[in-house]
Amino acid sequence: SQQGEEDPQALSIQEGENATMNCSYKTSINNLQWYRQNSGRGLVHLILIRSNEREKHSGRLRVTLDTSKKSSSLLITASRAADTASYFCATDAGGYQKVTFGTGTKLQVIP
Amino acid sequence: DGGITQSPKYLFRKEGQNVTLSCEQNLNHDAMYWYRQDPGQGLRLIYYSQIVNDFQKGDIAEGYSVSREKKESFPLTVTSAQKNPTAFYLCASSGRDRGPYNSPLHFGNGTRLTVT
Repeated sequence: SQQGEEDPQALSIQEGENATMNCSYKTSINNLQWYRQNSGRGLVHLILIRSNEREKHSGRLRVTLDTSKKSSSLLITASRAADTASYFCATDAGGYQKVTFGTGTKLQVIP
Repeated sequence: DGGITQSPKYLFRKEGQNVTLSCEQNLNHDAMYWYRQDPGQGLRLIYYSQIVNDFQKGDIAEGYSVSREKKESFPLTVTSAQKNPTAFYLCASSGRDRGPYNSPLHFGNGTRLTVT
C-alpha cells in the first residue's frame, strides 16, 4: 500500500523560481524521506527528517514536517534546469527498514 | 566507489518464461529490497531481506521469488505466475538501524523488463 501522496502530480516552473511539493500520509511515522528520480534511473536520497524534527535544510532544499497534519513539504529554491526530475516522499512507519513510497511529483524546470 | 549494480539494464522475455534480475551491492549493507515501478506510479515493495538467508514478502510478492545466500547479492526471479511482469524493477539497500531511525535507501539504476 502507498502511504504517501504527493501534490501536485506535475509542476512546471521557470528556471530561478522556487518549487514546492507536498506530501500527505496516513499513519504515524518514525521518519520521512525525500528522493529524486531522473527519467529511467534509480532514486537518489535527498533528505531525511525525523518525526521529532520540524524543519531541515540541505543546500537549496528545505523540508518541513507537520506530524499533527501528517504532511511534509519539499521546497527547492532558485531552481535549475538540472532539477527536472520526479520527486518522491517515503515514510518509515517503524518495523525493520520498511519504507513506503508515494506516487511522486514530476517537476519540469524550463530554462 | 561503493554502490548497487543492477543487470541487465534492459531485459526482454517471452510470456511463460522465468527470468532472474541481478542485484549486487558493495556498501556492506545488511538490508536489501526489491521494488516495482509502473509508469506514472510510485514504488511498490516486492520482497525485502534484513540479513543473509532471511527474507520477507512485501506488498506484491505473488509471482516473484528471491534468495539471499550472500550479503552482497539479492537476485529476483520473475516467474511465469506473475500476470503483469512488464515493469521497471529497482533494487535498494540500507544500513543497519540506528535506534528507531532508519538509514536512507541506496538504489541501483534499475532493470526494465518487457515480457511479450
